[in-house]
Amino acid sequence: TQLLEQSPQFLSIQEGENLTVYCNSSSVFSSLQWYRQEPGEGPVLLVTVVTGGEVKKLKRLTFQFGDARKDSSLHITAAQPGDTGLYLCAGEAVSDRDDKIIFGKGTRLHILP
Amino acid sequence: DARVTQTPRHKVTEMGQEVTMRCQPILGHNTVFWYRQTMMQGLELLAYFRNRAPLDDSGMPKDRFSAEMPDATLATLKIQPSEPRDSAVYFCASGSTLGGNIQYFGAGTRLSVL
Repeated sequence: TQLLEQSPQFLSIQEGENLTVYCNSSSVFSSLQWYRQEPGEGPVLLVTVVTGGEVKKLKRLTFQFGDARKDSSLHITAAQPGDTGLYLCAGEAVSDRDDKIIFGKGTRLHILP
Repeated sequence: DARVTQTPRHKVTEMGQEVTMRCQPILGHNTVFWYRQTMMQGLELLAYFRNRAPLDDSGMPKDRFSAEMPDATLATLKIQPSEPRDSAVYFCASGSTLGGNIQYFGAGTRLSVL
């Protein structure tokens, strides 16, 4: 069974601080996605990383895919209250020929104004 | 503005009652997924369809849950009979096999079984 472990589970920091959240697995993934979910809504895709070592930036968010394609990180610079939400990573298994992706349980982020 | 539509948004019912949740995928999408989200378990895949055919429902309790796609614009998830442990938020997501494995989620149905 492929699992994605996200850490930390919860994070509460002051506005303006930097933070990093992690997504780890013992399995290799062909791609990895990051979603953000706000209260009362469904997850919304932020980014997909495909190549080992790939780094993608989305304004103040930096996403990195591990060289071995088993892990990923999300770094937020100068966090703002609008960044508050549940951040989910999801991986597409290498061997699967279907459309399924596996979700981690998420990091619940709260930015204090 | 294309989006996945789920109804109802909230459902409160009593144990033993039948519950039907509906999902309208984004027009043109050919994959549909049903997930259940709880604090303890996170987002769990219940079932998914490609071109209206069920491909995997291994995550779904077979004795009480059923998922169908009567046509390309409607997916349903039924629970009969419902139990308190079914209380959760149920999400539908749709995607396209031509667009990579990107899933577009609805806003969910919050189910409470008393």
